[in-house]
This record gives sequence, structure tokens and C-alpha cells, in this order.
Amino acid sequence: QQQVKQSPQSLIVQKGGISIINCAYENTAFDYFPWYQQFPGKGPALLIAIRPDVSEKKEGRFTISFNKSAKQFSLHIMDSQPGDSATYFCAAGRAGNMLTFGGGTRLMVKP
Amino acid sequence: DTEVTQTPKHLVMGMTNKKSLKCEQHMGHRAMYWYKQKAKKPPELMFVYSYEKLSINESVPSRFSPECPNSSLLNLHLHALQPEDSALYLCASSQNRDSPYEQYFGPGTRLLVL
Repeated sequence: QQQVKQSPQSLIVQKGGISIINCAYENTAFDYFPWYQQFPGKGPALLIAIRPDVSEKKEGRFTISFNKSAKQFSLHIMDSQPGDSATYFCAAGRAGNMLTFGGGTRLMVKP
Repeated sequence: DTEVTQTPKHLVMGMTNKKSLKCEQHMGHRAMYWYKQKAKKPPELMFVYSYEKLSINESVPSRFSPECPNSSLLNLHLHALQPEDSALYLCASSQNRDSPYEQYFGPGTRLLVL
């Protein structure tokens, strides 16, 4: 019930392309879905987050799409750049409980 | 300011040493967390402090001892560690434990146990 499944484990995208990372959850009590970006040797940085009352949230080149009925959410990185190469973690949370993280996706954007 | 600072950045210690990791935030957050992260894995929760009191201990071995001296500081005391404890140790904070949503992470301490 607490699991968050993330796919793919790794992703290679050409510069300028769209990177898409997917997550699925089981516990319908989750009401907060953040994405974290982590560069090697650094801590995760909060990138963007969404709540289930909206189906999409966009911040610059980063968009979260949320499908409540399917219990899935995804991160889209438009116009991917080599500087976006990092590991991305989705997570799910609810009040009074800790965040549950997905397994991570290593993104490489080729020049 | 959403900064969480951690010291030291790197630490090498023997299995008989005693060392401490430090974490500091000045965002007025009342929940602070210690995570352990192995390579290519997500952060794994170790401890949660809420209003300076330990509220969650995720069955962490007693060789790890957390301490929260005040609302801005969080320490992790290390003693008699094993080589498998080598990892990136991350500190994080959020407004409070009931709203763990916006957790801000520090840069981590890279620990190597020899």
C-alpha cells in the first residue's frame, strides 16, 4: 500500500527532446506528489510538486501530469538539455506520514 | 531561503571511531529528518524529529544516535560503524511533521567506513 513504482530506471534522450518519467502508486490516501532532482554527490532538490485536485502543473520546461483514476503521475521535461542529466525521484506523501520515494530514474541527455 | 547545510562534506572513519554529522536550517522548520542513501537508490528514512523530539526511529541500529539540541540543529552521532554503513547521509527539514510535503534536503555527508 505504501509503494511507489517508478519507470524507466534509466533514460537516454537527445538534446532538445522530451524526457518522460512515470510513477504509479497504490495508496489512494496520498495527496501530495513531488519530484526531486539529484546530481551526483548532491542532495535531492525539490523540483516540482502536484496535488490530486489538478491534472497538470507546469513550471518552465518541467510539467507534471496526474491521472487520479489510474493512480499514475509523470514528469515531462521539454527541450531536454545536457544540464538536466541527473537522477530523478518521484515521491508520494500524506499528512502525518513520511514521503514514499520511487526507485529513481537516471536521465542522460546527449548533446 | 530554503537552505539546509551539512558538515562535514566528506568523512572517513575507522570502525572504532566516534564521529558526528551536523545539520542546520534557518527556515523555522519544526521537523527534521535523517536519511541514508546508497548509490543508485532512493533516500531511506532513518529518524524524524518533530519539535525537537524524536518521533520516528526506523529500526536504526544503536550505533547511530541522533540528537536535536534546538529547533535549528540536528546531529547524528556515529560509533562503531560497519563498512556497510558507508553511504551518503542526508538531512532534510519541513515545516512540521504533519505536513511533510515540502522537504528540503541538505547536500549530504559522504561517509566511508574502513
